[in-house]
Amino acid sequence: DAGITQSPRHKVTETGTPVTLRCHQTENHRYMYWYRQDPGHGLRLIHYSYGVKDTDKGEVSDGYSVSRSKTEDFLLTLESATSSQTSVYFCAISARNEQYFGPGTRLTVT
Amino acid sequence: RKEVEQDPGPFNVPEGATVAFNCTYSNSASQSFFWYRQDCRKEPKLLMSVYSSGNEDGRFTAQLNRASQYISLLIRDSKLSDSATYLCVVNMESGGSNYKLTFGKGTLLTVNP
Repeated sequence: DAGITQSPRHKVTETGTPVTLRCHQTENHRYMYWYRQDPGHGLRLIHYSYGVKDTDKGEVSDGYSVSRSKTEDFLLTLESATSSQTSVYFCAISARNEQYFGPGTRLTVT
Repeated sequence: RKEVEQDPGPFNVPEGATVAFNCTYSNSASQSFFWYRQDCRKEPKLLMSVYSSGNEDGRFTAQLNRASQYISLLIRDSKLSDSATYLCVVNMESGGSNYKLTFGKGTLLTVNP
């Protein structure tokens, strides 16, 4: 157990509304990640963070922003949700050159 | 060529069978390799890291062939609880320190009684 929690675990929202997903870790890991997982695709990296206020884009960053104001929290924001952002979102941390995942958030945009 | 490519599956095997998964990767400078398992509607969980010399953990054996850019996972004496999707994962960063991973699409394994 890597001490990662995600909230909310499930969310249904309407197109055009802002949505923020939270990832919280308890073990002071430097690296944190946001992925999305969709049928027919492997997990795809959205954004990652390598320290407080240090973030960078991943493979599918368009339409997403992130913030990390504290080591333990990494927030993913969809400024204006679209139906194409319906997905399962996983947060992860790096430890000992390995990645460990949170339980995921199922987001549905109607 | 896809960056990380796996057997499409699905694999359906009886209990006790031996099953092998294969994976190829496109970046010859890749440094780190992993197998994850993912149960339905759950998060991926690290099964094992893959080392150049190959490694074994109980019924599971992972092999790496850098020349062919190929990774394998062998499961012996399959159990019902092995039913899951198996993800091949590669750190494609040549420096090896960036921790950015590339995931295969996964192979679904069902072990039948």
